[in-house]
Amino acid sequence: SQQGEEDPQALSIQEGENATMNCSYKTSINNLQWYRQNSGRGLVHLILIRSNEREKHSGRLRVTLDTSKKSSSLLITASRAADTASYFCATDRGGSRLTFGEGTQLTVNP
Amino acid sequence: DGGITQSPKYLFRKEGQNVTLSCEQNLNHDAMYWYRQDPGQGLRLIYYSQIVNDFQKGDIAEGYSVSREKKESFPLTVTSAQKNPTAFYLCASSIGGKETQYFGPGTRLLVL
Repeated sequence: SQQGEEDPQALSIQEGENATMNCSYKTSINNLQWYRQNSGRGLVHLILIRSNEREKHSGRLRVTLDTSKKSSSLLITASRAADTASYFCATDRGGSRLTFGEGTQLTVNP
Repeated sequence: DGGITQSPKYLFRKEGQNVTLSCEQNLNHDAMYWYRQDPGQGLRLIYYSQIVNDFQKGDIAEGYSVSREKKESFPLTVTSAQKNPTAFYLCASSIGGKETQYFGPGTRLLVL
């Protein structure tokens, strides 16, 4: 099975609400990343959090990492219709390789 | 503009045919990667290259081949041995030793 698994698989919210997505992984990591993919497009890097960090912010994004639970969460505050996309977590495997989860499909309704 | 380009955007393959997907980057990145994405799923690593003239198999290399003759280019050939090639193919690159990957726009491969 994949190293990273996102939860929920799909999330539908109203514009202005917050969206929270979770990622669990199985083995120890050096870092965890979150990427965004608009439909039919390539992935865009959002944020990287290292194993010795607990929380990181970037604009409306907040990422937490709990290495004891092997889990991470991505919070998008004050969501916009333009945030509609799939969000993937990725964990490092060494040798610059990443393992991606299956993603959370976020729909933000105007 | 710096970035990664993939061509074509759509590619059609006939039974028994080999097809080649192009990936070019002008970011001066050492490492390049090919991923396959099936509908509603995450990315699976096909091949990766950390340096020119060297590449390694990923998790699903069977039925695919690559070359890395130039730093800027990492073409992927989908051979006739790949029995289920219909998917979205994504190329990425990264600075050597760095974790963040930069992705191209993808190529959608369809079988006629």
